[in-house]
Amino acid sequence: GAVVSQHPSRVICKSGTSVKIECRSLDFQATTMFWYRQFPKQSLMLMATSNEGSKATYEQGVEKDKFLINHASLTLSTLTVTSAHPEDSSFYICSAIWTGAMNTEAFFGQGTRLTVV
Amino acid sequence: AQTVTQSQPEMSVQEAETVTLSCTYDTSESDYYLFWYKQPPSRQMILVIRQEAYKQQNATENRFSVNFQKAAKSFSLKISDSQLGDAAMYFCAYKGVSGTYKYIFGTGTRLKVLA
Repeated sequence: GAVVSQHPSRVICKSGTSVKIECRSLDFQATTMFWYRQFPKQSLMLMATSNEGSKATYEQGVEKDKFLINHASLTLSTLTVTSAHPEDSSFYICSAIWTGAMNTEAFFGQGTRLTVV
Repeated sequence: AQTVTQSQPEMSVQEAETVTLSCTYDTSESDYYLFWYKQPPSRQMILVIRQEAYKQQNATENRFSVNFQKAAKSFSLKISDSQLGDAAMYFCAYKGVSGTYKYIFGTGTRLKVLA
């Protein structure tokens, strides 16, 4: 299957700082990327959907000014957690699809464990 | 809105035995896709099996097969000859064929494989 690379896999940052997480599709053009947050022993909670070249669509309850998403190219989307606080500590996962085919499946990055101290 | 329900938070199976994980969903769409994803301790999401709703034949991938009952909106996963490496969280997911291409995930079932 296709490869989606997410970086970094782990990051620790100080409260009040910002941290950027990258999601790259290595061998296909990702017209749409999704960002999820996963709490321990829980399911994936969709935060936002981003389409290349346009503004991300955020799910209800997700602060778009705190979680900045940029999808400037067909192979890269970034999630920036601004002014991070301990409650933002979580596991963040991206996935990418190519919407050129109806039966396309989503490919997932390895995830990023964010710890805010 | 579509919903996906996994009613078994945790399941256990003896090595080499068979186990079935349940999933039900709700949708008003006639065409869609259903998936089972595995999330091992590494937390990398791995696609196990996929089913297109317009196909009546149940999907099969080696030891993994599904029982897709469209009228009942049921999509269970059967794992045969369970192996220790099958231990993981399993998520059932739904994807429509139009709109945002969002995946809707169930709450997951933790599968333990006993040696």
